Amino acid sequence: DSGVTQTPKHLITATGQRVTLRCSPRSGDLSVYWYQQSLDQGLQFLIQYYNGEERAKGNILERFSAQQFPDLHSELNLSSLELGDSALYFCASSVAAPKTGELFFGEGSRLTVL
Amino acid sequence: TQLLEQSPQFLSIQEGENLTVYCNSSSVFSSLQWYRQEPGEGPVLLVTVVTGGEVKKLKRLTFQFGDARKDSSLHITAAQPGDTGLYLCAGARDDKIIFGKGTRLHILP
Repeated sequence: DSGVTQTPKHLITATGQRVTLRCSPRSGDLSVYWYQQSLDQGLQFLIQYYNGEERAKGNILERFSAQQFPDLHSELNLSSLELGDSALYFCASSVAAPKTGELFFGEGSRLTVL
Repeated sequence: TQLLEQSPQFLSIQEGENLTVYCNSSSVFSSLQWYRQEPGEGPVLLVTVVTGGEVKKLKRLTFQFGDARKDSSLHITAAQPGDTGLYLCAGARDDKIIFGKGTRLHILP
């Protein structure tokens, strides 16, 4: 158990819909990272927050947004969903904004868009 | 273009054999990490290598960081079915933690 909690574990929805994925980091961790994992693209970095502020942005679509709340939990919002958004979405946390890639991952949220 | 290239993409070998997988980049990293991911779970950190030329051992797993800090390898001795999984390397670049696409390893009993 990494200490990172993600909900929901599975989500099935239709194209055009909007979903919210939630992440609670490990106790004491200030940084939260979001990744998208698909078979052909591997783990793609989406966005990172540190203590409530956006720190780094990756290949995140404009239809996607995220935020980190004062209690340090984070939400990833995916809107106008397309079939290609079907993937595993992982949240990871670390103590600070690390110079290394030492992250602790949740078990992921599997999104299926029909 | 993938910043971290892993090879091979897939590897299927018999229990008891040795194997090496690679993580290569044209960029220098201050450190590299190796993770293992099993189906339905998130990646789990195995090791961090920091110094060029560094070798770290974790039971039957040996990790090496290249002298120029651009590449790394993972060697498994006497592979066991429990070693089956996706092995990912990762590095920090401009506040982003970047992952390779991974090597999917299958150990046959």
